[in-house]
Amino acid sequence: QVQLQQWGAGLLKPSETLSLTCAVSGGSFRGYSWSWIRQPPGKGLEWIAEINPSGSTDYSPSLRSRVTISLDTSKNQFSLRLRSVTAADTAVYYCARLLRFLGGNWFDSWGQGTLVTVSS
Amino acid sequence: QSVLTQPPSASGTPGQKVTISCSGGTSNIGTNSVNWYHQLPGTAPKALIYSDDQRPSGVPDRFSGSKSGTSASLAISGLQSEDEADYYCATWDDSLNARVFGGGTKLTVL
Repeated sequence: QVQLQQWGAGLLKPSETLSLTCAVSGGSFRGYSWSWIRQPPGKGLEWIAEINPSGSTDYSPSLRSRVTISLDTSKNQFSLRLRSVTAADTAVYYCARLLRFLGGNWFDSWGQGTLVTVSS
Repeated sequence: QSVLTQPPSASGTPGQKVTISCSGGTSNIGTNSVNWYHQLPGTAPKALIYSDDQRPSGVPDRFSGSKSGTSASLAISGLQSEDEADYYCATWDDSLNARVFGGGTKLTVL
């Protein structure tokens, strides 16, 4: 059973860079697409970014100018960097695996979530 | 403002059937398959339905999905207290070139 374990700084000051990493174990890393999704306190889910097995990326239009997603296949890890954070970036951040099967694709495995708070 | 519109809340009594709607447009639901997730408080979301109406292994058949045009629905039959959670629809949007989620529906079991 695949497991996603994520980590990163939980408290940032405005204008700093958010950095999170997600390690994948118990299953194949290559051949899957990987995403980051966030959830502000008391609010809904917001997709942030996705990277496919070849390294091609897609980003949320509202965050594209500040975000980078990357792969480290040697470590079975992928990472998120979000620059110039503000209080509006305070959220629980999740990493997730995108499973493609029979023409569909969905997030079948999720990390445990990391609460990132932006405060001066 | 979410691209996909869900009712903020829904409710039902144990044993009842509840339906949650998800309304979108031609660039998202009208073109791409819809997934449904549920989220218990303090936990990560979990997939309930993929490709409009398919259940991942282990999801009870009390949960069913459907789609027509630019709208999708999640039905939960034989409602149980443990179904009390937040439910989200999701799909890809061809115009935005992005994955999109509905705003979420909080289901209360009375």
